[in-house]
Amino acid sequence: NAGVTQTPKFQVLKTGQSMTLQCAQDMNHEYMSWYRQDPGMGLRLIHYSVGAGITDQGEVPNGYNVSRSTTEDFPLRLLSAAPSQTSVYFCASRQGDQPQHFGDGTRLSIL
Amino acid sequence: SQELEQSPQSLIVQEGKNLTINCTSSKTLYGLYWYKQKYGEGLIFLMMLQKGGEEKSHEKITAKLDEKKQQSSLHITASQPSHAGIYLCGAVHSGGSNYKLTFGKGTLLTVNP
Repeated sequence: NAGVTQTPKFQVLKTGQSMTLQCAQDMNHEYMSWYRQDPGMGLRLIHYSVGAGITDQGEVPNGYNVSRSTTEDFPLRLLSAAPSQTSVYFCASRQGDQPQHFGDGTRLSIL
Repeated sequence: SQELEQSPQSLIVQEGKNLTINCTSSKTLYGLYWYKQKYGEGLIFLMMLQKGGEEKSHEKITAKLDEKKQQSSLHITASQPSHAGIYLCGAVHSGGSNYKLTFGKGTLLTVNP
């Protein structure tokens, strides 16, 4: 099993550009989520989904959009990138009460 | 998440020493998860606790959840350099979405040889 796959691993954007971070899982998990990790801030929840067609906001949703058209995929969209969105982004999936599986992360720099 | 407070924020210990990291919630926990992260890498699942008073161990790491289900501790016995990294507690809180898992700010552990 591949688990949770994130692409790309690294990306540099200019302010104002748009981009989609991809996330796919092959474990048929209901729950998927996106986090950002900044120094000293731990993991902060951006958006999450409890199933195909259902998404909800986390702690820091502003500037990000998500959709969940299939169980497997949960892309994160930055419509107009800002320097404050420079971060490491992690996608995760989980089934019920089981431990959450994380992808390897995407390092995003916005100039 | 402001709902989860981890302490200390950072910790430096000599190899062989014991240490404890705490995770405190302002709300009753439905489930508590401990993860470890090496710098620049992904997260490794350590342990999950759900029942009040529950205690789990793996190798030299022991995690406990108090009876009130609002505080957890992670204890490392006879620390080794391989234990170094960032330790994160994550929680699902009772009364809210059972799918929403939020994290504390993490504890950076350095183990000096």
